[in-house]
Amino acid sequence: SAVISQKPSRDICQRGTSLTIQCQVDSQVTMMFWYRQQPGQSLTLIATANQGSEATYESGFVIDKFPISRPNLTFSTLTVSNMSPEDSSIYLCSVEDPETNYGYTFGSGTRLTVV
Amino acid sequence: DAKTTQPPSMDCAEGRAANLPCNHSTISGNEYVYWYRQIHSQGPQYIIHGLKNNETNEMASLIITEDRKSSTLILPHATLRDTAVYYCIVRVEWSSYGNKLVFGAGTILRVKS
Repeated sequence: SAVISQKPSRDICQRGTSLTIQCQVDSQVTMMFWYRQQPGQSLTLIATANQGSEATYESGFVIDKFPISRPNLTFSTLTVSNMSPEDSSIYLCSVEDPETNYGYTFGSGTRLTVV
Repeated sequence: DAKTTQPPSMDCAEGRAANLPCNHSTISGNEYVYWYRQIHSQGPQYIIHGLKNNETNEMASLIITEDRKSSTLILPHATLRDTAVYYCIVRVEWSSYGNKLVFGAGTILRVKS
């Protein structure tokens, strides 16, 4: 299956600043997904990113707050902008993985704390 | 909105079978049921998935009712390392591009010695 590297693995940031999270995949994939997992909660899909097109955001998430780039078939970034303590969460990257019969592989996540 | 309902927590004795239920009464005919688990501080790990038929792999079995409104994940011989949050997920059609996973709230499974 695809191997996903997320950077940073964790960070502590000041409110009002922005953080860019990187997701690198070791194979070419069409679909990449960004999730948020708030403390003690399940995963919520933020947006889906296809290479060569703008990301599609789920209800409750907007591009100004969570801009996403997808410059090629192996890489994507998610930026958390103008952070507040409510943005403290784990952010996870996932890919649709054609090398497997089940299709979806997840990264280990970025644990963000906003102070 | 989540399309699945799971009990918030369950306990299981080590060595016994763990049976985790999931309700997905609004599932559509072409939507798959997936199960993933998440051990603390790690990304979700795939367990099994199915559409209509029961499925089995080296980790677990998935039993889907005939009307597809519910399913049960079975870990045949639970060990302490199976303690995790188990998510029942429906794969929904996202657009002409493909599908996406919609996570439920999950069940915390505690395996006890």
